[in-house]
Amino acid sequence: DAGVIQSPRHEVTEMGQEVTLRCKPISGHNSLFWYRQTMMRGLELLIYFNNNVPIDDSGMPEDRFSAKMPNASFSTLKIQPSEPRDSAVYFCASSSRTGGVIEQYFGPGTRLTVT
Amino acid sequence: AQSVTQLDSQVPVFEEAPVELRCNYSSSVSVYLFWYVQYPNQGLQLLLKYLSGSTLVESINGFEAEFNKSQTSFHLRKPSVHISDTAEYFCAVTTNAGKSTFGDGTTLTVKP
Repeated sequence: DAGVIQSPRHEVTEMGQEVTLRCKPISGHNSLFWYRQTMMRGLELLIYFNNNVPIDDSGMPEDRFSAKMPNASFSTLKIQPSEPRDSAVYFCASSSRTGGVIEQYFGPGTRLTVT
Repeated sequence: AQSVTQLDSQVPVFEEAPVELRCNYSSSVSVYLFWYVQYPNQGLQLLLKYLSGSTLVESINGFEAEFNKSQTSFHLRKPSVHISDTAEYFCAVTTNAGKSTFGDGTTLTVKP
């Protein structure tokens, strides 16, 4: 299995621009998580989906952030408009509770820099 | 609600010395317990997990953790560390509903 795939791996954009981060979970996994990691705030859960349905988005910082999961094999995290304080590494992770597998498998992350 | 406290933000240790990374948690519901490791510029990887059964769990690279229900702790130990163990370590709890809460991480630095 290729693992969780994230794209792009690096993104540099200017303040005010729209940014879209993409994630392909491991095939067969039915839960998907978006995290943000910074030195100041550590690892923060932004939102997670079960069976493509958003379950908890209480970690989404504000209305500029939105996430979708149109099908079991794809999710996006969008920031519009972006701000310098959004600079961070964004991780996608997936898991499956079937067969007792509940640990999360993380992607390599997208390093976002907003100037 | 759940919370995870990693008691040490940084742990420096010499190669071949023992190490313990401490983790306490609180939860109003039953949780599963995990340790993840993050090497520089990579995502987190599962190191070991406690779901049920024996309270002592081991990883393939010599780490072990013991679940202590009365003290609500899940400390990570290794009797002899290597330079390659230098990384950030995260303790996490996951509810039956699948929501995970991570600690702030402990940076383990192994010095020669």
